[in-house]
Amino acid sequence: DTEVTQTPKHLVMGMTNKKSLKCEQHMGHRAMYWYKQKAKKPPELMFVYSYEKLSINESVPSRFSPECPNSSLLNLHLHALQPEDSALYLCASSQDRQGTYNEQFFGPGTRLTVL
Amino acid sequence: GEDVEQSLFLSVREGDSSVINCTYTDSSSTYLYWYKQEPGAGLQLLTYIFSNMDMKQDQRLTVLLNKKDKHLSLRIADTQTGDSAIYFCAEYGGATNKLIFGTGTLLAVQP
Repeated sequence: DTEVTQTPKHLVMGMTNKKSLKCEQHMGHRAMYWYKQKAKKPPELMFVYSYEKLSINESVPSRFSPECPNSSLLNLHLHALQPEDSALYLCASSQDRQGTYNEQFFGPGTRLTVL
Repeated sequence: GEDVEQSLFLSVREGDSSVINCTYTDSSSTYLYWYKQEPGAGLQLLTYIFSNMDMKQDQRLTVLLNKKDKHLSLRIADTQTGDSAIYFCAEYGGATNKLIFGTGTLLAVQP
């Protein structure tokens, strides 16, 4: 299995809702990432997990809360989002964070719309 | 700074070669990548080059690296309509230990 899967594919939520994005990989990768991508822009790193521990938080607002329950799963919990948080949220994984093992494989993304 | 620059748009005819350029800033980057993103989709890793290499060829793709000028290019031979997408270069390693993406180039292939 050489895929990163993400659910849901699309999500529409109100500003008072709580929802979660899910990401899964079965490649035995030990690093997992969340990126945010606005239209016509490159992906922006949000969080990095390495060996199930949070190693990078790019000063992301607390209304985004990541969780790594095990080495195959990565969640992003959403609460009290703003309309400007509407974007494509991409998950990625890599074997490790060093050298060639940093090749990052991306999932198809979750298209989030905040009303 | 961490800016990785690419030209915004490239239009080619089917069957021609495409060359997408990228200028990066971190001379200590160890790996440089090319990703392809089709509309509404995630990023597909196309190829990468290690910083001690000048060139890498992979089927229709040729990557050239000029470390002195911090310039990276991706040549696609015999470009097809299915190659139409946004192409991102990305650098890794060095100061940030993070993947830093370029601004992206939209490749339009005319039949």
